[in-house]
Amino acid sequence: GENVEQHPSTLSVQEGDSAVIKCTYSDSASNYFPWYKQELGKGPQLIIDIRSNVGEKKDQRIAVTLNKTAKHFSLHITETQPEDSAVYFCAASIGGGADGLTFGKGTHLIIQP
Amino acid sequence: EADIYQTPRYLVIGTGKKITLECSQTMGHDKMYWYQQDPGMELHLIHYSYGVNSTEKGDLSSESTVSRIRTEHFPLTLESARPSHTSQYLCATGADTQYFGPGTRLTVL
Repeated sequence: GENVEQHPSTLSVQEGDSAVIKCTYSDSASNYFPWYKQELGKGPQLIIDIRSNVGEKKDQRIAVTLNKTAKHFSLHITETQPEDSAVYFCAASIGGGADGLTFGKGTHLIIQP
Repeated sequence: EADIYQTPRYLVIGTGKKITLECSQTMGHDKMYWYQQDPGMELHLIHYSYGVNSTEKGDLSSESTVSRIRTEHFPLTLESARPSHTSQYLCATGADTQYFGPGTRLTVL
């Protein structure tokens, strides 16, 4: 089955700096890659996703890049703000979701004031 | 915005009690999921359903059971709660994109 590795497990950055979280996946058939943000006391919320027919997708301060050859994808957050502090999860699946999503273990992002 | 609800949000209960965690969604999705999340953050899939009358066990073995009699409801039951069941339980729905509920934090004393 699919295996998703996520790094780092904890990331501390100064407010205003950029943050990058990286994930690798094992199944070359995977073609859907969402990212989730989980704030304290809440369920994970989808923040951005990318499909294998594109290499990059951007939404305001967040962007995701995908390298299918290397089987890795990354989340980029620019101009970080205190409200970006949360746990972030990457995930991968084969489109249609017959086997559901395989999640990374999460990254705790801390924005230092 | 996903419409998926979980009740109760918090539950503190004694050992040996039977509990049911409710999950409902108004999105009309066939697939639903239950995850267990410990303080270490990792999400563990414990149950999922392809649709009405379908239930499957996930990657993490769990003493809980689930049922899917109606599309919109996917309750999780523990027949006899134990302290080892203390955790955060998250329900989700969707096909490739999954939408999560707010979670139930269960504490078994």
